Amino acid sequence: DAKTTQPPSMDCAEGRAANLPCNHSTISGNEYVYWYRQIHSQGPQYIIHGLKNNETNEMASLIITEDRKSSTLILPHATLRDTAVYYCIVRVASGGSNYKLTFGKGTLLTVNP
Amino acid sequence: NAGVTQTPKFQVLKTGQSMTLQCAQDMNHEYMSWYRQDPGMGLRLIHYSVGAGITDQGEVPNGYNVSRSTTEDFPLRLLSAAPSQTSVYFCASSYSTGEKLFFGSGTQLSVL
Repeated sequence: DAKTTQPPSMDCAEGRAANLPCNHSTISGNEYVYWYRQIHSQGPQYIIHGLKNNETNEMASLIITEDRKSSTLILPHATLRDTAVYYCIVRVASGGSNYKLTFGKGTLLTVNP
Repeated sequence: NAGVTQTPKFQVLKTGQSMTLQCAQDMNHEYMSWYRQDPGMGLRLIHYSVGAGITDQGEVPNGYNVSRSTTEDFPLRLLSAAPSQTSVYFCASSYSTGEKLFFGSGTQLSVL
């Protein structure tokens, strides 16, 4: 399985961009990178996903390196409400047409006033 | 537009008791799953279902049973609760396997 490595915690000032890194050096060519976040005591929330092109939506941007061995989630203007655990996940095929998403420990992003 | 609904939100059980955690979704999703989350750890997959009548085991299935008789509902049964099952349980669904997951708000379970 392609595993991911994330820093356990990061800080960011309110209003600044938050850049959350993720290493996935064993990723295969057809495996997608997904990002979710979990605000304290709530269920995880989907943010964005991508294969090899950079992606942007209303929540964030996802930058994937050309070799696909790492990616960065960017929250362009972090707010206090963005304080959460952010999970970087590689979607792995698990037989037939099934896939597996394995949630690691993620990065606790704390946005400070 | 309810999304994924879990009940109850909190539950306290005694060792050996049984109970069912309910999960329902109104998005006509084929894929549904149950996760548990313990302090300081990520989410671990218990069981999942790719459609009505089809279920399979995840990473930590022991002590839990599931069934999927309808597209909307995916209950999780604890037949004989143990203290090791104290955890927060999340139900999730997606249009199909591997697509983005929608999570419920969780059930906090304590087994004494």
